[in-house]
Amino acid sequence: DAGITQSPRHKVTETGTPVTLRCHQTENHRYMYWYRQDPGHGLRLIHYSYGVKDTDKGEVSDGYSVSRSKTEDFLLTLESATSSQTSVYFCAIGGAWQYFGPGTRLTVT
Amino acid sequence: ELKVEQNPLFLSMQEGKNYTIYCNYSTTSDRLYWYRQDPGKSLESLFVLLSNGAVKQEGRLMASLDTKARLSTLHITAAVHDLSATYFCAVDIANYGGSQGNLIFGKGTKLSVKP
Repeated sequence: DAGITQSPRHKVTETGTPVTLRCHQTENHRYMYWYRQDPGHGLRLIHYSYGVKDTDKGEVSDGYSVSRSKTEDFLLTLESATSSQTSVYFCAIGGAWQYFGPGTRLTVT
Repeated sequence: ELKVEQNPLFLSMQEGKNYTIYCNYSTTSDRLYWYRQDPGKSLESLFVLLSNGAVKQEGRLMASLDTKARLSTLHITAAVHDLSATYFCAVDIANYGGSQGNLIFGKGTKLSVKP
């Protein structure tokens, strides 16, 4: 398995609170991605990074921000969580062939 | 609007039977992926198809790509219970101005193989 970990794996939070999800890789890969998975929608790209401090928006970036200060870490922040952000969040690394982390299940009450 | 459409979305098969999952996409792309996901698990890479006419096979699964028709198929031969999972296709939209690895996923096909 590709060396990708996500933390936390499960989180329950209240509406309006900030939340940060972490993706950590040991593969020294340049590209990293954050997706969300919702029933009936497949996976949708939130943000991606193509290097340290180089990030860009994906398909569903509203309400999310990201940061990448080191090659190995890619952080996803929900500045003020809403119930519509209840989802399973996957981090991925790679370019032409992506490897996915184990996922974080986030519930916003 | 970029679209990736899979059909069927749900598929119940008997063991030993053959079937095909279809993936249509609306943008030009010469890179298409198939992934498998077991319930509660992450995604596992199955195939990457890089050119028109590409065919890849692994065990009972065979994937093909027709870039002119913007169609990929995942064919299942003599299904077994272990193939029960959700299968996703995804299109790389790098050719559409996106960065490499910027994937648009289909909604997935939930496959259930019954004895």
